[in-house]
Amino acid sequence: AQTVTQSQPEMSVQEAETVTLSCTYDTSENNYYLFWYKQPPSRQMILVIRQEAYKQQNATENRFSVNFQKAAKSFSLKISDSQLGDTAMYFCAFMKHVLGSSNTGKLIFGQGTTLQVKP
Amino acid sequence: EAQVTQNPRYLITVTGKKLTVTCSQNMNHEYMSWYRQDPGLGLRQIYYSMNVEVTDKGDVPEGYKVSRKEKRNFPLILESPSPNQTSLYFCASSLAGHTDTQYFGPGTRLTVL
Repeated sequence: AQTVTQSQPEMSVQEAETVTLSCTYDTSENNYYLFWYKQPPSRQMILVIRQEAYKQQNATENRFSVNFQKAAKSFSLKISDSQLGDTAMYFCAFMKHVLGSSNTGKLIFGQGTTLQVKP
Repeated sequence: EAQVTQNPRYLITVTGKKLTVTCSQNMNHEYMSWYRQDPGLGLRQIYYSMNVEVTDKGDVPEGYKVSRKEKRNFPLILESPSPNQTSLYFCASSLAGHTDTQYFGPGTRLTVL
């Protein structure tokens, strides 16, 4: 079974600085997707970034980028120029991709990392 | 606006009183799913639906029921709620379950006394 581990329950960063959130996962699948979701105090789950495992190039979305190391099964999120609005809980999630199957479409989530951006 | 809506957003109830949490999406998505979020456990899948009239169990289905009679709606039913079902519940949808990004509703905070 797949598992996702976020080993940092809480982190903090000064405004305008860079922070990296860690995520490791365990799977025997070769084709899958990885996601980072943000959950601000409003509790809404917001997609931050998505990575397809077959792509070697790391995904980027404005100030957010990932370091995807497939062999190491690592998927860290880097937030550059941190802003107060980045304060939230961040979840790493895994979803396997199996063509033509009755795939459940299930997202497997890590435990979350609470990020505090300080002014 | 493309969105997933849930109602109610907050609910306090008592053990054994049947309740339904509604979920609706306006994006013509085929795939819908329910998750519950508990501290230290992240989100766990309760039930999912690949399309109308097709539903199946996720990781923690006990005590829950769902139905998918229309494409846009996917209600979560608790026939006899218990305190261990106190949680934050999220509905999510995507165009196709196994390839697409899932979009989440705003969440429903349920407390069972």
